[in-house]
Amino acid sequence: GAGVSQSPSNKVTEKGKDVELRCDPISGHTALYWYRQSLGQGLEFLIYFQGNSAPDKSGLPSDRFSAERTGGSVSTLTIQRTQQEDSAVYLCASSATWNSYEQYFGPGTRLTVT
Amino acid sequence: DAKTTQPPSMDCAEGRAANLPCNHSTISGNEYVYWYRQIHSQGPQYIIHGLKNNETNEMASLIITEDRKSSTLILPHATLRDTAVYYCIVRVSPLSGGYNKLIFGAGTRLAVHP
Repeated sequence: GAGVSQSPSNKVTEKGKDVELRCDPISGHTALYWYRQSLGQGLEFLIYFQGNSAPDKSGLPSDRFSAERTGGSVSTLTIQRTQQEDSAVYLCASSATWNSYEQYFGPGTRLTVT
Repeated sequence: DAKTTQPPSMDCAEGRAANLPCNHSTISGNEYVYWYRQIHSQGPQYIIHGLKNNETNEMASLIITEDRKSSTLILPHATLRDTAVYYCIVRVSPLSGGYNKLIFGAGTRLAVHP
């Protein structure tokens, strides 16, 4: 079946603009995660959704970052007033339930802020 | 979550077994050992996980020492496509409460050569 998909695959934006990144999890998966991977840094957790609720937002780096999930499916990560340090690959993952061991990752969105 | 230590890089000849070590000396009794890998320009991929018994699946084997302070991921017959960064992650069972977010370290960059 289809895996996790993310769009766009690449996004170049000017500093100060807002961007929206989209994640389509595997159908039926209730848990959804956002991570980011910066050059020279490892993968860092951003936010976790169970259904449409986000019980763990501890990884969001600033209030310029927000995310929502609707219908227990698609999620959007929004970055307002982008800064150059926001440049990274943003990865989305989903798992079947909150207690699943395995997370399935999408291919990521490469964000470049100029 | 317990901290893990992995060598930054390893080499392996194609067709030979790749043995990737991980040290997790502060692991707690309810923490599992997970392995993920990330092939260049792709999202991470789940490989295997275990608590205290050795585990094997179609991708790899996981050997955990009796004191659980270290483990080894074994790729029995490495191919060029196994070239990737391999992450060893220690995490409480999702059934123990808390969320299943993954905390990635720097990993081991495995290069499989002909």
